[in-house]
Amino acid sequence: DIVMTQSPDSLAVSLGERATINCKSSQSVLYSSNNKNYLTWYQQKPGQPPRVLIYWASTRASGVPERFSGGGSGTDFTLTISSLQAEDVAVYYCQQYYGAPLTFGGGTNVEIK
Amino acid sequence: EVQLVESGGGLVQPGGSLRLSCAVSGLTFSNRWMSWVRQAPGKGLEWVGRIKSKTDGETADYIAPVKGRFTVSRDDSKTTVYLQMNSLKTEDTGVYYCTTNSPDDPWGQGTMVTVSA
Repeated sequence: DIVMTQSPDSLAVSLGERATINCKSSQSVLYSSNNKNYLTWYQQKPGQPPRVLIYWASTRASGVPERFSGGGSGTDFTLTISSLQAEDVAVYYCQQYYGAPLTFGGGTNVEIK
Repeated sequence: EVQLVESGGGLVQPGGSLRLSCAVSGLTFSNRWMSWVRQAPGKGLEWVGRIKSKTDGETADYIAPVKGRFTVSRDDSKTTVYLQMNSLKTEDTGVYYCTTNSPDDPWGQGTMVTVSA
């Protein structure tokens, strides 16, 4: 199974400042035949289902603000919120969909400092 | 608009059974591989299992803790995916979501399963 390790577990950032979340996979999730990283980032607010933010590691989903960006390749990935807004308080998860079982990181709780 | 609507959750005793349904609209269901993901109260997300499309063999994969107890199936004519859960344990308690294999499709609201005596 591919193990997804997120860091940090929790992050407090001032409004307008940058937030960076890391996600490391135990093996590469880069599919060589199409050069795509099978990695998604989700945002989950209390009482709501997860919302897709980023897929293919760096493609922003429809309606997602430009302040959210994804980067990395192979086994190391980042989600960056360039200027934290109050509505960004949430838990963020990475997930690999390279192969079954599809696995999630443990989540990063982002709050306002 | 893509919509996934889960139903069938509820309170069940340990050892009991439940069948969850997920009705899908707004996309070509027959092409999609469908997954179930669960979330225990206050915990993270856990992928439970999936079923491939008919053209890809309609085979299913599961995580180890549910193998032999849970079964994912699909009815393309009803654009619905199911999760049959047998021999339920207290640790199966949580919100169950269905998802597609298209990474930008939205999730449903989920259905709550509580396994308790």
